[in-house]
Amino acid sequence: QQQVKQSPQSLIVQKGGISIINCAYENTAFDYFPWYQQFPGKGPALLIAIRPDVSEKKEGRFTISFNKSAKQFSLHIMDSQPGDSATYFCAASMDAGGTSYGKLTFGQGTILTVHP
Amino acid sequence: NAGVTQTPKFRILKIGQSMTLQCTQDMNHNYMYWYRQDPGMGLKLIYYSVGAGITDKGEVPNGYNVSRSTTEDFPLRLELAAPSQTSVYFCASRLRLVSYEQYFGPGTRLTVT
Repeated sequence: QQQVKQSPQSLIVQKGGISIINCAYENTAFDYFPWYQQFPGKGPALLIAIRPDVSEKKEGRFTISFNKSAKQFSLHIMDSQPGDSATYFCAASMDAGGTSYGKLTFGQGTILTVHP
Repeated sequence: NAGVTQTPKFRILKIGQSMTLQCTQDMNHNYMYWYRQDPGMGLKLIYYSVGAGITDKGEVPNGYNVSRSTTEDFPLRLELAAPSQTSVYFCASRLRLVSYEQYFGPGTRLTVT
């Protein structure tokens, strides 16, 4: 019930294209859904996050789409650039009431390669 | 601010040896976490702490121990290292009630042979 399933495992996109990564969760108590970006040899860094009271959040070229009824959320990267090549992780946590202490459950990760 | 720092960056251990992975944050964050990252598996929570003197198990705590005597430091101890503990270890921290964002350190790559 704590799982977060992410797909695809790897993704190759041409420069200027749209990258789409999908995640599905089971636990309806999750109320915070972040995406982390990780470059080789570095720790993950927060890219963008969403709460379930909105269906979409956009920050620059990055958009999260959230479907509460389907228990799915996705990351869209518009106008993908070679510098976006990295591993992307979706995650989820239960933060309402502060009793889960921000513990994140991560998806398996997607290796994105953007060809120039 | 240095953020979250981890030492060492790399380490090779023999089976049965012990070691401590160090983690320090200078952001006065209440919450700290240890994750391990294995290929194709995402990050799994090992232990976490909500403040000095308070720690609890995460999803994969077996073979590890932690302590938190100060707000800044959260070391992870491996006793009797096993090949299954070969992984990349990340420490993270978060400021309670202000932001949900976790800040990650650069990681420690550990190989047990």
